Amino acid sequence: NAGVTQTPKFRILKIGQSMTLQCTQDMNHNYMYWYRQDPGMGLKLIYYSVGAGITDKGEVPNGYNVSRSTTEDFPLRLELAAPSQTSVYFCASSGQSGRQPQHFGDGTRLSIL
Amino acid sequence: KNQVEQSPQSLIILEGKNCTLQCNYTVSPFSNLRWYKQDTGRGPVSLTIMTFSENTKSNGRYTATLDADTKQSSLHITASQLSDSASYICVVSPPSFGNEKLTFGTGTRLTIIP
Repeated sequence: NAGVTQTPKFRILKIGQSMTLQCTQDMNHNYMYWYRQDPGMGLKLIYYSVGAGITDKGEVPNGYNVSRSTTEDFPLRLELAAPSQTSVYFCASSGQSGRQPQHFGDGTRLSIL
Repeated sequence: KNQVEQSPQSLIILEGKNCTLQCNYTVSPFSNLRWYKQDTGRGPVSLTIMTFSENTKSNGRYTATLDADTKQSSLHITASQLSDSASYICVVSPPSFGNEKLTFGTGTRLTIIP
């Protein structure tokens, strides 16, 4: 049972480039989340989804976009990379109620230079 | 603004010793309080979850306590092992919302030395 899988693990982008961070889960969870983790800061919610076709903004959505076409996949897109988006990105999922403890992937470490 | 503050920021202890990590929160009322363990280079993993009506919750050598009156929680680790070296994150969930409104602490970095 793989749980939540994120790819890639590491990536370096140039300012202005775009990329998609991939996230897939095999637990049939309806709820999925994208967080960023910066040094000395708590995890901040970027976007979340309560099911296929339904997404909503979190606390820090600017500069990001998401889509949810299937239950399993929840990709995060950066359109015009900026140095402020240098961070570690975590995808998570949780069960039916959306209040159960989340299962996290192992993160994508992204540097924008 | 809802806040979760953890102390100490970092802690170093000898293998086999016990330790206690602290979490103070301002989220009130709240639905539940969670402790996560995050190994270096990995995602957080849930250790315990307590509702506002629970005082203590154990998971092996990890015991979380909650004092809703003082808005404090602690995580006690017994007989520490090298594998306990990690960051420990306190997370508070407000009532009437799901995981989209969680407040995460900044974590305590624990290092166990042999």
